[in-house]
Amino acid sequence: QPVLTQPPSVSGAPGQRVTISCTGSISNIGIGYDVHWYQHLPGTVPKVIIYSNNKRPSGVPDRFSGSKSGASASLAITGLQAEDEADYYCQSYDGSLNGYVFGTGTTVTVL
Amino acid sequence: QVQLEQSGAEVKKPGASVKVSCKVSGNTLSDAFIHWVRQASGKGLEWMGGFDPEDGLTINTQKFQGRVRMTADTAADTVYMEVRSLRSEDTAVYFCANRNRSWAFDLWGQGTQVTVSS
Repeated sequence: QPVLTQPPSVSGAPGQRVTISCTGSISNIGIGYDVHWYQHLPGTVPKVIIYSNNKRPSGVPDRFSGSKSGASASLAITGLQAEDEADYYCQSYDGSLNGYVFGTGTTVTVL
Repeated sequence: QVQLEQSGAEVKKPGASVKVSCKVSGNTLSDAFIHWVRQASGKGLEWMGGFDPEDGLTINTQKFQGRVRMTADTAADTVYMEVRSLRSEDTAVYFCANRNRSWAFDLWGQGTQVTVSS
């Protein structure tokens, strides 16, 4: 069973807003471990776009934002652009597994 | 600029072992916390294990059940990850990544393709 669950895909037209959910449990997000988000384009390496739930690394557009509530987290992309087409993964730490966990991944498609 | 440089692609037969290296450049290994993440074709990211300042070496034993070994050569600023008893399901791109103080993986190696085929 996946530890962090994401929708397989989301889509939106250019300029629209899309959100990606990341559902965990009491042993990871719910107990307070931070959530980080990665953008992964085919043929490239994953890139962290949100860390510690809602912080953006330098150089990441402010169109990307993150939030966390209870045992879930969300990534929002506003003003969707063609270059945002990629796979997105959430990541946290699980105290029961004593290790890091990734979400199942979500493919964002720009219509 | 800090970079992680991985060894090249490998092709192995089932039952064999593979050892992938990750060299830290622009910094020293003592200032890095290197982990390994893999991605099989069409699948998601999967954490394999790594070195943390809090707990030292931690491996995803639930998934790999003793088949994975991680070592470090501090003089060479290089970390090694070995997978034993390879299966076809181990065919994947293997990444090394640095874990930062926020527990996120902020720097990644270029990836190493490992193919297990008879």
